[in-house]
Amino acid sequence: KQEVTQIPAALSVPEGENLVLNCSFTDSAIYNLQWFRQDPGKGLTSLLLIQSSQREQTSGRLNASLDKSSGRSTLYIAASQPGDSATYLCAVRDFGNEKLTFGTGTRLTIIP
Amino acid sequence: NAGVTQTPKFQVLKTGQSMTLQCAQDMNHEYMSWYRQDPGMGLRLIHYSVGAGITDQGEVPNGYNVSRSTTEDFPLRLLSAAPSQTSVYFCASSYTSGALGGTQYFGPGTRLTVL
Repeated sequence: KQEVTQIPAALSVPEGENLVLNCSFTDSAIYNLQWFRQDPGKGLTSLLLIQSSQREQTSGRLNASLDKSSGRSTLYIAASQPGDSATYLCAVRDFGNEKLTFGTGTRLTIIP
Repeated sequence: NAGVTQTPKFQVLKTGQSMTLQCAQDMNHEYMSWYRQDPGMGLRLIHYSVGAGITDQGEVPNGYNVSRSTTEDFPLRLLSAAPSQTSVYFCASSYTSGALGGTQYFGPGTRLTVL
């Protein structure tokens, strides 16, 4: 059974710093991995989708990498801003499985 | 495009009552799904559909029923509400599933409290 872990559960950093969020998964047989952002009381917003054949994806200040063999993904946020404060979730879609398996998220606070 | 919409945003039920959570998408997505989000447990799949007329169970289907008569709509029915069903419910959709499955788009959620 796929398990997805995100450590730490919470992270606070000063504005302007670059930071890395981590996601690990136990079964490397995946179709893709997706990073989401969730603001308090809101739904999930997709940030980046990495297919299993890809190593990384970039969107603006965000860069996500995928290392299937080690079961790891990282989300790199450059030049953090207070508006980046949110909970960040990663989710994997396994081979032959229609569901996404989610981690429990990292709650990020950017301190002005 | 409105994307994925959900109604209602909030609902309070008494134990034993039934209700339907509505979900609609205007992106012509074939794949739709329902998740529940509980503190410390992440999001868990309740039911999903790979197209009109086709539904299947997810990880936590008990106490819920779904149908998919159109591509756009995917309602979730609570048959007899229980306090354990107090949660935030999210509907999601994507163009397709499986190996070609792309970005999942989520609705804003329905916060359900069962007393």
